[in-house]
Amino acid sequence: AQSVTQLGSHVSVSEGALVLLRCNYSSSVPPYLFWYVQYPNQGLQLLLKYTSAATLVKGINGFEAEFKKSETSFHLTKPSAHMSDAAEYFCAVRSGNTPLVFGKGTRLSVIA
Amino acid sequence: EAGVTQFPSHSVIEKGQTVTLRCDPISGHDNLYWYRRVMGKEIKFLLHFVKESKQDESGMPNNRFLAERTGGTYSTLKVQPAELEDSGVYFCASSQGTGGAYGYTFGSGTRLTVV
Repeated sequence: AQSVTQLGSHVSVSEGALVLLRCNYSSSVPPYLFWYVQYPNQGLQLLLKYTSAATLVKGINGFEAEFKKSETSFHLTKPSAHMSDAAEYFCAVRSGNTPLVFGKGTRLSVIA
Repeated sequence: EAGVTQFPSHSVIEKGQTVTLRCDPISGHDNLYWYRRVMGKEIKFLLHFVKESKQDESGMPNNRFLAERTGGTYSTLKVQPAELEDSGVYFCASSQGTGGAYGYTFGSGTRLTVV
């Protein structure tokens, strides 16, 4: 069975500071990993995905994530936070044809 | 291309009533998924259609929930009778293929409140 653990249900950063949202996965087979973002009153939007090509994946809005097999991690980063990044972020995993399995989400607040 | 459309965006019903949620996937996407997020919990898988067939319904909580996808186009999710614990946000998603590399495109969700 697959699972995802997101460390920290709420992360707060200052505008311009580094954003780091943590995600660890568990999968018995090579995983596909995804980060989704949900802005207030909107649906889930795909930020980026890892599909076994490059381990460093670049996504939209300046976000990127690095797949580290040895650490079973797929942390999401952005060098400089903007106010518009305030949202809830979800890490998700799937392998083969199994449905996406989500973490509990991390709410990011950006302080001016 | 048009995205995944869900209707209604919000629904407030009384316990014991029936509610039907609708999802229109992206045109040409054979795979359609329903997920649910109950307040404070993670987003949970409900079921997966490939065209009009139910591929996986292991996440359906009980027999009060009925999903259909007649003709392999839009899908409906009916809750009958609704209970208080059914409150939450119901998301629909579609994808072009079933392989693990395919991401899903999600709709904006239907917020269901049972009072």
